[in-house]
Amino acid sequence: NAGVMQNPRHLVRRRGQEARLRCSPMKGHSHVYWYRQLPEEGLKFMVYLQKENIIDESGMPKERFSAEFPKEGPSILRIQQVVRGDSAAYFCASSSQGALVADTQYFGPGTRLTVL
Amino acid sequence: AQSVAQPEDQVNVAEGNPLTVKCTYSVSGNPYLFWYVQYPNRGLQFLLKYITGDNLVKGSYGFEAEFNKSQTSFHLKKPSALVSDSALYFCAVRDIGSSSASKIIFGSGTRLSIRP
Repeated sequence: NAGVMQNPRHLVRRRGQEARLRCSPMKGHSHVYWYRQLPEEGLKFMVYLQKENIIDESGMPKERFSAEFPKEGPSILRIQQVVRGDSAAYFCASSSQGALVADTQYFGPGTRLTVL
Repeated sequence: AQSVAQPEDQVNVAEGNPLTVKCTYSVSGNPYLFWYVQYPNRGLQFLLKYITGDNLVKGSYGFEAEFNKSQTSFHLKKPSALVSDSALYFCAVRDIGSSSASKIIFGSGTRLSIRP
């Protein structure tokens, strides 16, 4: 049973470009969460999605960031017009039952975004 | 507001000795507590969780954690450390039943270093 898959593992962008990060949840999981980790810090929650719905985006910056989890295909975290401060590791997690249950989130290997 | 504190940035232990990584939490409702481990350039791996029941929780790789409600702590322990245990450890909490139940709040991490 494959774990959470993320690609690319490393992404380099110049300021002003767009970054697209993909996450395929574990088989059977329909709940996806995105977190950001700055160097030497813990993970910070960004957004929680179910298929075709954003459930909680309270940790997402109001501008330039968006996320989706379509009916078919992976979840996408999109960062428009990247700035140097967006450089971080972005982790995706998935779970089978969602937020209102004592459910374990399983994490992918992360995408390390570097903005030049 | 929910929070998790890991008071030690680094813990150094000799191989074969017992180890403890400290964690305290603050939530408004019932805490669901987790420990994750992160190896260099990798995602987080789930170690164990406390939901309810026995205060001593056993997890992967010989780790265990003790939930102490009166001290609001959830310290991670292992009776005999291995060099391969060297990694970054994160304590985390979910406040099930609150409006922010979807997110996991992570501590800042403790770097565990086991010397041969």
